[in-house]
Amino acid sequence: GAGVSQSPSNKVTEKGKDVELRCDPISGHTALYWYRQSLGQGLEFLIYFQGNSAPDKSGLPSDRFSAERTGGSVSTLTIQRTQQEDSAVYLCASSPRGPSSYNSPLHFGNGTRLTVT
Amino acid sequence: AQKVTQAQTEISVVEKEDVTLDCVYETRDTTYYLFWYKQPPSGELVFLIRRNSFDEQNEISGRYSWNFQKSTSSFNFTITASQVVDSAVYFCALSETTSGTYKYIFGTGTRLKVLA
Repeated sequence: GAGVSQSPSNKVTEKGKDVELRCDPISGHTALYWYRQSLGQGLEFLIYFQGNSAPDKSGLPSDRFSAERTGGSVSTLTIQRTQQEDSAVYLCASSPRGPSSYNSPLHFGNGTRLTVT
Repeated sequence: AQKVTQAQTEISVVEKEDVTLDCVYETRDTTYYLFWYKQPPSGELVFLIRRNSFDEQNEISGRYSWNFQKSTSSFNFTITASQVVDSAVYFCALSETTSGTYKYIFGTGTRLKVLA
């Protein structure tokens, strides 16, 4: 695709429900990142994928958060038993990875705005 | 540990003024990359520049310029003759290789308001 696509763009859910957020990276980009941006705050790293594996999950806030990536493409971030403090914009980014693209810039999607009521 | 500090939370300037956004970083790696991103009110983060740790040349792109100084671990961003369209949140970021992973660490951002 032309850019990183995230869905849904907005999600309102009740406290205690599970939600799934989807990210479709730029075709051919092997690295995929999830970040969280709370209102007026910076970008908080959640997890990073290289292909289908996640070398760094250090940013996941709790075991209610999980993510997977299949086929080296689409990724899903799942939040179980949502809490009000999970309300934020969840951003996905992708980049090419390889000897010729070391530390390439990240390409961001428009994010999913999650509101937990 | 790696860290990016943007001490300026919010800056307001009048159109046509010059403004400098500060970024200070910490890293133990000798090889790393620094980035600036712009997040306009629409929300999408836009890449502006990448600089690697071996290249301390300053860069100018139109009204934008960047000053990278390893001696002070700073990578500052200057907008000359600011315009209302420059109003946005600007993020500085650091990328390094630690234990084979490629983490991008972002600062907390500086909100720039350019008043007409």
